Amino acid sequence: QKEVEQNSGPLSVPEGAIASLNCTYSDRGSQSFFWYRQYSGKSPELIMFIYSNGDKEDGRFTAQLNKASQYVSLLIRDSQPSDSATYLCAAEMNRDDKIIFGKGTRLHILP
Amino acid sequence: EPEVTQTPSHQVTQMGQEVILRCVPISNHLYFYWYRQILGQKVEFLVSFYNNEISEKSEIFDDQFSVERPDGSNFTLKIRSTKLEDSAMYFCASSEQGGGGETQYFGPGTRLLVL
Repeated sequence: QKEVEQNSGPLSVPEGAIASLNCTYSDRGSQSFFWYRQYSGKSPELIMFIYSNGDKEDGRFTAQLNKASQYVSLLIRDSQPSDSATYLCAAEMNRDDKIIFGKGTRLHILP
Repeated sequence: EPEVTQTPSHQVTQMGQEVILRCVPISNHLYFYWYRQILGQKVEFLVSFYNNEISEKSEIFDDQFSVERPDGSNFTLKIRSTKLEDSAMYFCASSEQGGGGETQYFGPGTRLLVL
């Protein structure tokens, strides 16, 4: 059973601080990893994707992947109240079409 | 910016009735997907569709479910005889390519309530 695990939170972070979200996955065959943001009652919105070990930066967001540890993380710098949402970690196997989602971590940015 | 659209946004139906959920994927995308999210739970894969046939489906996608691309733009999910446990948010997604590593873009969802 392929699983993606996340701490459900809530994770409370002061405005302007760094929010760190973590995720582990069970299937070593997973090749592609995604972070989606989901506001309550809305659809998942892609924030970042990462395929290679190491860091990938896009604006205030940095995704980190460690395939040996089967670990993915998302850092949000200079957190804003609008970043308050549920963050979904997702994994996809190579030559596979489906994305396996974690349950998500609720992030609350404190003004 | 192109986006996936879905109709209706909300659907209420009686148990045992058939429902059809509609999606218009992004126009140059070739792969289409349906996911569902029961309230408070994780997003779950239902089915992927490419070249007018199902490429992959989950154990959730049983004989009560079917998908169709009736024309060049629409992609539909039909639930033949709805059950109470089918109540969920249903998301359509599309991607340019498939086979792993492709970003899937999600529509706004259809909230289905089965009474």
